[in-house]
Amino acid sequence: GQNIDQPTEMTATEGAIVQINCTYQTSGFNGLFWYQQHAGEAPTFLSYNVLDGLEEKGRFSSFLSRSKGYSYLLLKELQMKDSASYLCAVRDLNSGAGSYQLTFGKGTKLSVIP
Amino acid sequence: NAGVTQTPKFQVLKTGQSMTLQCAQDMNHEYMSWYRQDPGMGLRLIHYSVGAGITDQGEVPNGYNVSRSTTEDFPLRLLSAAPSQTSVYFCASSKTGFYGYTFGSGTRLTVV
Repeated sequence: GQNIDQPTEMTATEGAIVQINCTYQTSGFNGLFWYQQHAGEAPTFLSYNVLDGLEEKGRFSSFLSRSKGYSYLLLKELQMKDSASYLCAVRDLNSGAGSYQLTFGKGTKLSVIP
Repeated sequence: NAGVTQTPKFQVLKTGQSMTLQCAQDMNHEYMSWYRQDPGMGLRLIHYSVGAGITDQGEVPNGYNVSRSTTEDFPLRLLSAAPSQTSVYFCASSKTGFYGYTFGSGTRLTVV
């Protein structure tokens, strides 16, 4: 089975930097994804890490440490539109079925305040 | 390209009724999945498919059936709806499962 943990809620100020952490335990780790989900909408892809280190995409960066089972999403220069839930998802290789599965954490609701 | 299309967007069912949630993608993706999203529970995998004719169960499959007769379509069937199946359902697809998933806009289902 899998266990994916991330904080339930966070609040940050417009223009600031916020880090959303995700820890996981899994048997067949094969990559970690971050998704953004605005209220009432579908999740949209933000970033992907399969090797250790930092991946940067504009204002968003994601870090992975496979040995620690740890990832974080870093959001810089926060804007009001960044208020959303951020979902950490781990891709497992199901060696028995020969297929991949994507399992999500419960999400972190980020509120950006003026 | 339309991406992943889900219908209907909203549905109210009575307990015991049956219905099919439709999902279609036009990206020639092999992987398709159904998730349900409930407050405080996150997205949970119901069923998934790695190609036409191949399906498998996810974390919460009870009460749901799926089939995959074509690459494009992956319908989810509720045979006898229960109030516990009130949720938001998302269909998602991926080229091979190795890549990120593209989600449909969701179906909000209420069972009374």
